[in-house]
Amino acid sequence: QVTLKESGPVLVKPTETLTLTCTVSGFSLSNARMGVSWIRQPPGKALEWLAHIFSNDEKSYSTSLKSRLTISKDTSKSQVVLTMTNMDPVDTATYYCARMDSRGAHFDYWGQGTLVTVSS
Amino acid sequence: QTVVTQEPSFSVSPGGTVTLTCGLSSGSVSTSYYPSWYQQTPGQAPRTLIYSTNTRSSGVPDRFSGSILGNKAALTITGAQADDESDYYCVLYMGSGTVVFGGGTKLTVL
Repeated sequence: QVTLKESGPVLVKPTETLTLTCTVSGFSLSNARMGVSWIRQPPGKALEWLAHIFSNDEKSYSTSLKSRLTISKDTSKSQVVLTMTNMDPVDTATYYCARMDSRGAHFDYWGQGTLVTVSS
Repeated sequence: QTVVTQEPSFSVSPGGTVTLTCGLSSGSVSTSYYPSWYQQTPGQAPRTLIYSTNTRSSGVPDRFSGSILGNKAALTITGAQADDESDYYCVLYMGSGTVVFGGGTKLTVL
């Protein structure tokens, strides 16, 4: 059974760095067919893709947020970590991690999401 | 910057058919973008409906179908039901792990 679960702070202050962890089970992060993305959704707004990491550790980032994002993984811990620097209230959102199956390049499993609020 | 366009809202009668579309701000959507569609109800994570243009995800009813119509990807719901009332997002794969989400379509069934 494949599951993904996001964890991290509920509240961060402006200018702080956000660190989120996605813990996966039911598959290995070394599976060549699978990668993991981070996606966010501000309240009442659309989904926005942030970053992706492949099994071979290649990474890709949203053009608009690239300077603030870092994605990494620890295969032994089955975890994918996203850091976002210089947080701002507009970054308040539910953050999801999702597995991408390279066969069809789609998200086949999603985490439940974690709401992060940026406020002083 | 690539912008993926979707109708902001759509309405369909119960039992009716509706087609939602997914376009590109410049250019045409083709199967090479591996269009996928996701359904999201308030407070829930998205659910995968369609991938690779027209492949239904496991457990998705066959009243949901995907296609390319003209220069856009399309999601058709045939025989709409009340619980189809949701937000629908399309995603286009741009290569090298990069994807772009559309702005979503809010579907009302009434």
